[in-house]
Amino acid sequence: GEDVEQSLFLSVREGDSSVINCTYTDSSSTYLYWYKQEPGAGLQLLTYIFSNMDMKQDQRLTVLLNKKDKHLSLRIADTQTGDSAIYFCAEKKGNTGKLIFGQGTTLQVKP
Amino acid sequence: GAGVSQSPRYKVTKRGQDVALRCDPISGHVSLYWYRQALGQGPEFLTYFNYEAQQDKSGLPNDRFSAERPEGSISTLTIQRTEQRDSAMYRCASSLGVAQQSTDTQYFGPGTRLTVL
Repeated sequence: GEDVEQSLFLSVREGDSSVINCTYTDSSSTYLYWYKQEPGAGLQLLTYIFSNMDMKQDQRLTVLLNKKDKHLSLRIADTQTGDSAIYFCAEKKGNTGKLIFGQGTTLQVKP
Repeated sequence: GAGVSQSPRYKVTKRGQDVALRCDPISGHVSLYWYRQALGQGPEFLTYFNYEAQQDKSGLPNDRFSAERPEGSISTLTIQRTEQRDSAMYRCASSLGVAQQSTDTQYFGPGTRLTVL
């Protein structure tokens, strides 16, 4: 199947860490992505990870990949109110161009 | 231009009318993708092009939907005889290399919000 699943909602306090989780089903996926969508805006690529990696860190963002369990997570350190948005994970098939997206996790950051 | 642009940004039409949605990719980008996003959902793949060739149209819901990219740059997604269930955000993305290259990143435009009355 081509299912990518995410929890729908996460609420954290400003300054805390946020962890957004994602599971996928296709073991042939080569790249996994995190996109951010703010109200009225397009999808902004945050980061991506190759399927043979376990972890990738980029400033406040840490991506963890458990390929055995097909589980992907995005950790945002020192979460700010500007991080409030919908976060989508997506998988890319190895030999195609299409991305399969999850339904998105709404992150609410409280001051 | 600096990013992917789409027009119109908003389109309201009556059921049964045809609509054409335009995507202008980042200059020099070889691949172009169309996605549809329903409210509260993630984007759903429709079709993509390498240059002017349509590589995969498996995501097009039915034969009322078609897309073209005749000169390998601007693309048009056409929906004939629109129905209310076609109402959604239609998003376009482009990437630098051919779509099958695993390292290639897709950059998304702001989308066209289609409402069918």
